[in-house]
Amino acid sequence: DTGVSQDPRHKITKRGQNVTFRCDPISEHNRLYWYRQTLGQGPEFLTYFQNEAQLEKSRLLSDRFSAERPKGSFSTLEIQRTEQGDSAMYLCASSLGADLSSGNTIYFGEGSWLTVV
Amino acid sequence: RKEVEQDPGPFNVPEGATVAFNCTYSNSASQSFFWYRQDCRKEPKLLMSVYSSGNEDGRFTAQLNRASQYISLLIRDSKLSDSATYLCVVTSMFSGGYNKLIFGAGTRLAVHP
Repeated sequence: DTGVSQDPRHKITKRGQNVTFRCDPISEHNRLYWYRQTLGQGPEFLTYFQNEAQLEKSRLLSDRFSAERPKGSFSTLEIQRTEQGDSAMYLCASSLGADLSSGNTIYFGEGSWLTVV
Repeated sequence: RKEVEQDPGPFNVPEGATVAFNCTYSNSASQSFFWYRQDCRKEPKLLMSVYSSGNEDGRFTAQLNRASQYISLLIRDSKLSDSATYLCVVTSMFSGGYNKLIFGAGTRLAVHP
């Protein structure tokens, strides 16, 4: 499979626990994005990496959230002390360049579903 | 105010109907515009790009009005398989000069026999 892969696809956790999601982008893609999507809403931008550098973080990314891309390949998104409001689908996407104008240059993974109980 | 606003729906239409979705965006510097389709519990997938001249792809027609900051999607001869959520998407520039996709909340379409 040469697409964007995310793991785990589904996670149920108790409130207060930490969770980590992993994203493996398309191998030659140097840009990586994380989005969060809650029920009834569109995906909301969380953060962006160019290679290993985290260049942009949304205000949505509270201090309980941390994202890394240590070698410029896969990325992890960790949520500490989870809250029920963190229940959502976490989407990862990757692109080869910064230009998204043609629309077909950004590829999404299938998402990681988080349920906090 | 959200950067991209859409009709919330849901739109419930019979097969064969024509349905139109509207979207407005607030950032006049937005550069590129798209409609994405999202099936239940799946990732969003690009349906079509939107250009000022208007563009058509089979039963789907998209239109952009930059002056009004308005985007539309028209679906003709609706099929059961068109049932999905349609997301209006614009690109927005980072402070560092890079683009990101900004999504509307989506409009749900349900086509019934």
